[in-house]
Amino acid sequence: GAVVSQHPSWVICKSGTSVKIECRSLDFQATTMFWYRQFPKQSLMLMATSNEGSKATYEQGVEKDKFLINHASLTLSTLTVTSAHPEDSSFYICSAARARGPGGVGSYNEQFFGPGTRLTVL
Amino acid sequence: DAKTTQPNSMESNEEEPVHLPCNHSTISGTDYIHWYRQLPSQGPEYVIHGLTSNVNNRMASLAIAEDRKSSTLILHRATLRDAAVYYCILRDVYSGGGADGLTFGKGTHLIIQP
Repeated sequence: GAVVSQHPSWVICKSGTSVKIECRSLDFQATTMFWYRQFPKQSLMLMATSNEGSKATYEQGVEKDKFLINHASLTLSTLTVTSAHPEDSSFYICSAARARGPGGVGSYNEQFFGPGTRLTVL
Repeated sequence: DAKTTQPNSMESNEEEPVHLPCNHSTISGTDYIHWYRQLPSQGPEYVIHGLTSNVNNRMASLAIAEDRKSSTLILHRATLRDAAVYYCILRDVYSGGGADGLTFGKGTHLIIQP
């Protein structure tokens, strides 16, 4: 199966510091990775789409200067929460897309999710 | 993406079958029906997907109504490890091919009683 890892699994930081979260596809190459955020008792919300070698695409309302995304290789995407504040405390989850089928209409990219990173900003 | 409607929660007993419904009355002809589940404090995991025909895999079965306006995820014999939030998500075959992010609704919180 396809495995996606995240590191760290949890992090506690002081307000105003920056935190980097890594997302790796361990046994497949992922040209596209996604970052989601989940607040307690809520559903996952897509934050941004990360494409290898190009700039990330952010969803409406997500500040690109606050949530820096780098997708430098086909197996690694990083999310940096800059100048974190308590309201940024959340569960951050990445997913990596793997193509299924020969491509084109009828094929699609399966998404495999990482285990998540719990960020607590004091 | 078309909207889906699921019950907020369902409860079942261990080792009994569970039928999780999902309504998607505005589904388009190119929408796949996907199910994911999220165990507590974990990322979501894929369960099953289908387009028109019923589907079976080692985790579950997916029954799709003839008009495709609803579907049912069937866990044949629930265990305590199946307690999770189950999400029914529609993905257009074109956007799926282009690898768009998933739109998660509130899902159904499945509670399994021992």
